[in-house]
Amino acid sequence: EVQLVESGGGLVQPGGSLRLSCAASGFTFSGYTMHWVRQAPGKGLEYVSGISGNGGSTHYANSVKGRFTISRDDSKNTLYLQMGSLRAEDTAVYYCTRASGEEWLLPFDYWGQGTLVTVSS
Amino acid sequence: DIVMTQSPDSLAVSLGERATINCKSSQSVLYNSNNKNYLAWYQQKPGQPPKLLIYWASVRESGVPDRFSGSGSGTDFTLTISSLQAEDVAVYYCQQYYNILYTFGQGTKLEIK
Repeated sequence: EVQLVESGGGLVQPGGSLRLSCAASGFTFSGYTMHWVRQAPGKGLEYVSGISGNGGSTHYANSVKGRFTISRDDSKNTLYLQMGSLRAEDTAVYYCTRASGEEWLLPFDYWGQGTLVTVSS
Repeated sequence: DIVMTQSPDSLAVSLGERATINCKSSQSVLYNSNNKNYLAWYQQKPGQPPKLLIYWASVRESGVPDRFSGSGSGTDFTLTISSLQAEDVAVYYCQQYYNILYTFGQGTKLEIK
């Protein structure tokens, strides 16, 4: 059974940093492109970042480019999102999600339960 | 970026009746090389993550009831629930994966009338 379990969320002050993790199981992690998608309280879904199956290619939404870094450790079956220079508008539930294959242009077929990041003083 | 616009924003349908949600993209999401529409539909129930329902505009994900169907091509798409069940109360999102600037529609909230 495919499982994605996020952790690392919490309360952080504006300008601060946080690292999210997503532990994957039930599939060959290295063979899939992975993404982060966020959802502000009561709002819709916003794409954040993605990383290819071999980690050689990454992509970021303009809203987080230069502040967030996505990475993966295939030996640990874990996806990461290092978030810096956090702003109030980064407050959201962050979902780890799997593309349905190793390519970029694919739907997101599995989602974790999400981890809440709150940016506030 | 490709802007995805859903209509309506909210919808109330009686149990057993048909529900229809529309999604329009600001540019075509059809790749002529493979004749595929890079369009997905997701269902999000309260307190849960999104769940993939439909991809390639009309292919039902494994395990999704056949009362859910997707149609359309190019820039105009529709998600149809043929006979609404109580468990279908949710917010529905369309998404384009035509390019890596993935974008979602604003969501349509579906309720029971």
